[in-house]
Amino acid sequence: EVHLVESGGGLVQPGGSLTLSCEASGFTFSDYWMSWVRQAPGKGLEWVANINVDGSEKYYVDSVKGRFTISRDNAKNSLYLQMNSLRADDTAVYYCTRDQWLVPFDYWGQGSLVTVSS
Amino acid sequence: DVVMTQSPLSLPVTLGQPASISCRSSHSLIYSDGDSYLNWFQQRPGQSPRRLIYKVSNRDSGVPDRFSGSGSGTNFTLKISRVEAEDVGVYYCMQVTHWPLYTFGQGTKLEIK
Repeated sequence: EVHLVESGGGLVQPGGSLTLSCEASGFTFSDYWMSWVRQAPGKGLEWVANINVDGSEKYYVDSVKGRFTISRDNAKNSLYLQMNSLRADDTAVYYCTRDQWLVPFDYWGQGSLVTVSS
Repeated sequence: DVVMTQSPLSLPVTLGQPASISCRSSHSLIYSDGDSYLNWFQQRPGQSPRRLIYKVSNRDSGVPDRFSGSGSGTNFTLKISRVEAEDVGVYYCMQVTHWPLYTFGQGTKLEIK
């Protein structure tokens, strides 16, 4: 059974940094692209970033370019999101989700809450 | 950028009655193979999103057959033939054609009248 478990969320001050992790199990992690999707409180879903199978290709939504970095460690079946220069509007639940060419987002984690506030 | 527009944003429905959600794309979602690629997701209160439909009309495993998807190009529809209490939540469309960049619709909140 596929499982995605996020961790690393918490309260951070504006301008601060945080790294989210997502541990995957139940499938061959190195065969799949992976994505991060976020949801601000009471708002809709927003795709944030994705990464290809070996980490050589990465894509980001414009609002996080230059501040967030997606990465992965296939040996550890783990996905990461390094978030720098955090702003109040980055406050959201961040979901890890499995990405597949043309049929993405079939499995989701439970989410990790990031709160940016002073 | 591809913009996805859903309507209505709020959908009160009587139990047992049908429901329909529209999703329109600012750009054609017809891929080079001639097919359109659009997903529908359900998010029940307090839960993570769940994919219901992929590639416009294909139901995911375990999704009741009262859910159906249709459309092509820029216009898509999610239909629920007879709404049940467990269908309460927010429904999102998401364009997939312009991979690897994805865009969601704003969401449609379905509630029971």
